[in-house]
Amino acid sequence: DTGVSQDPRHKITKRGQNVTFRCDPISEHNRLYWYRQTLGQGPEFLTYFQNEAQLEKSRLLSDRFSAERPKGSFSTLEIQRTEQGDSAMYLCASALGNPGNTIYFGEGSWLTVV
Amino acid sequence: AQRVTQPEKLLSVFKGAPVELKCNYSYSGSPELFWYVQYSRQRLQLLLRHISRESIKGFTADLNKGETSFHLKKPFAQEEDSAMYYCALENSGAGSYQLTFGKGTKLSVIP
Repeated sequence: DTGVSQDPRHKITKRGQNVTFRCDPISEHNRLYWYRQTLGQGPEFLTYFQNEAQLEKSRLLSDRFSAERPKGSFSTLEIQRTEQGDSAMYLCASALGNPGNTIYFGEGSWLTVV
Repeated sequence: AQRVTQPEKLLSVFKGAPVELKCNYSYSGSPELFWYVQYSRQRLQLLLRHISRESIKGFTADLNKGETSFHLKKPFAQEEDSAMYYCALENSGAGSYQLTFGKGTKLSVIP
């Protein structure tokens, strides 16, 4: 499968711990997105990278969240001092080239904060 | 602010019956709308987009700017259509062209 891959697929952590998720986009896709999805809701935009530059951040992205995309390839999303409200599915998506091209989603990383 | 509304959380239809999944949007610009589908245990994937005017797996969707709607339709439902369907609006005012999703409708096709 050469689609967007995410790791880990599931993570259970204690409140207050830090967690990091990794996303490997489709090869040569320069655009990368992170979304969050909670039960009963659609995905909500968190942040956007074009190559290595983080160009947009949602207000949902509190200062405990940080995302990086070194060298414009894979990306990481770190959550510090996790809270129970952070429990969600974290989706990564990528797209090639110009806006309007199809956005491809990964299978997501499930986070449960206990 | 842009918003996508899918009024039905769950829609159950019998196999062979017509299907209509409703989507309404709120957006000040010229809308680009999409339908995404998520089959059981699979990733979210694009079903169709209004600009391409395609019919995918028998589904069509017409953009009605007057009613600000983009309903998804299929004349004869199949069991394999059972899935979660999300309507999404592209924010062309943002450089990211991020998507705003509705809450989704779960379609269940009864054999």
